Amino acid sequence: DIVMTQSPHSLAVSLGERATINCKSSQSLLYRSNNKNYLAWYQQKPGQPPKLLIYWASTRESGVPDRFSGSGSGTDFTLTISSLQAEDVAIYYCHQYYHTFRYSFGQGTKLEIK
Amino acid sequence: EVQLVESGGGLVRPGGSLRLSCAASGFIFRNYSMNWVRQAPGKGLEWVSSINGSGSYTDYADSVKGRFTVSRDNSKNILYLQVNSLRVEDTAVYYCVLAAYWGRGTLVTVSS
Repeated sequence: DIVMTQSPHSLAVSLGERATINCKSSQSLLYRSNNKNYLAWYQQKPGQPPKLLIYWASTRESGVPDRFSGSGSGTDFTLTISSLQAEDVAIYYCHQYYHTFRYSFGQGTKLEIK
Repeated sequence: EVQLVESGGGLVRPGGSLRLSCAASGFIFRNYSMNWVRQAPGKGLEWVSSINGSGSYTDYADSVKGRFTVSRDNSKNILYLQVNSLRVEDTAVYYCVLAAYWGRGTLVTVSS
């Protein structure tokens, strides 16, 4: 099974500052035949389902503000919020879908305002 | 547009059963493996079960193996999860997931 290790567990950032969340997989998520990384990032607020922010590691979902960006390849990935807004307070998860069976997820990062 | 709509959750006593459903649309359902993922209150995301496109191969997390059964009806574009011998720790929102597409979930509460 692919193990996803997300860090930090919690993060406090000032409004307008940058927030960075990391996710490391136990094996490469890069599918060489199409050169895509099978990694997604989600934002979850209380009482709501996970909201897709980023897929293929770096493609922003339609409607997601451009302050959200994803980077990385292979086993190391990063979600960056360039200028934190109050509405970005949430829990963030990474998700590998490289295996069509046995999805796995990071433990989540709780993002708060400092 | 891919749409996944779960239903069938509810309140059930320990040892009870439910059948969860996921109605899929916007893609060729039979061509894709499908997954169930759950989230207990205040906890993270946990993969539960997968099924391939034809329904001939299934897989389960150790925590539910022998109690849950995944199936699909490709003529109706519906994914199912039969959940039996429910335990308090199975209380969660259950999501139907295809890659990065998620439904809104259905809540299963196991309580006496």
